[in-house]
Amino acid sequence: IAGITQAPTSQILAAGRRMTLRCTQDMRHNAMYWYRQDLGLGLRLIHYSNTAGTTGKGEVPDGYSVSRANTDDFPLTLASAVPSQTSVYFCASSVGGATDTQYFGPGTRLTVL
Amino acid sequence: QKEVEQDPGPLSVPEGAIVSLNCTYSNSAFQYFMWYRQYSRKGPELLMYTYSSGNKEDGRFTAQVDKSSKYISLFIRDSQPSDSATYLCAVGASGTYKYIFGTGTRLKVLA
Repeated sequence: IAGITQAPTSQILAAGRRMTLRCTQDMRHNAMYWYRQDLGLGLRLIHYSNTAGTTGKGEVPDGYSVSRANTDDFPLTLASAVPSQTSVYFCASSVGGATDTQYFGPGTRLTVL
Repeated sequence: QKEVEQDPGPLSVPEGAIVSLNCTYSNSAFQYFMWYRQYSRKGPELLMYTYSSGNKEDGRFTAQVDKSSKYISLFIRDSQPSDSATYLCAVGASGTYKYIFGTGTRLKVLA
């Protein structure tokens, strides 16, 4: 099935715990993104990757890290979760940069208690 | 000032109405303009993609960009209950890998 998959679908996490959100795409897109979506704030870019082996910071990177070891996978790690990281997280990909359509995954709903 | 402003709604209209959704942006460097539709508990999906000023039509949907006013619009004709969703505008600039999204407008089309 072509597209983007994210795991888990939802998660409840205790504050202070480490968590990795997984994202895999099978479209061979060069660029991948992580967003968080919060009510009243819309979609905000956390980190992005132009191509395998490179990553960049978005608008709200603090408390999050990413890696891009290959084209298909772009995991997002919360080293020590805090309640303010409660959100819906979306992974997206595009062939290239901002001139190209971004395709979104189904999202991960994360609650940090 | 936010780079992209969008009225959050909610906007309720009767079935068959013409819907107008709007965003304003602040940076004239933006050249690419998108509208995404997001159903509840789903990821956003691209509806319309336009470059620079002008209109683009796709079925019941028309995207309009006025760069002189920094204003973008999405019109939905003959709206259907299945159009009930949140609509997000987004802008982008050449040479970047970043979109800037509006906060989204929640639309409800009443049968």
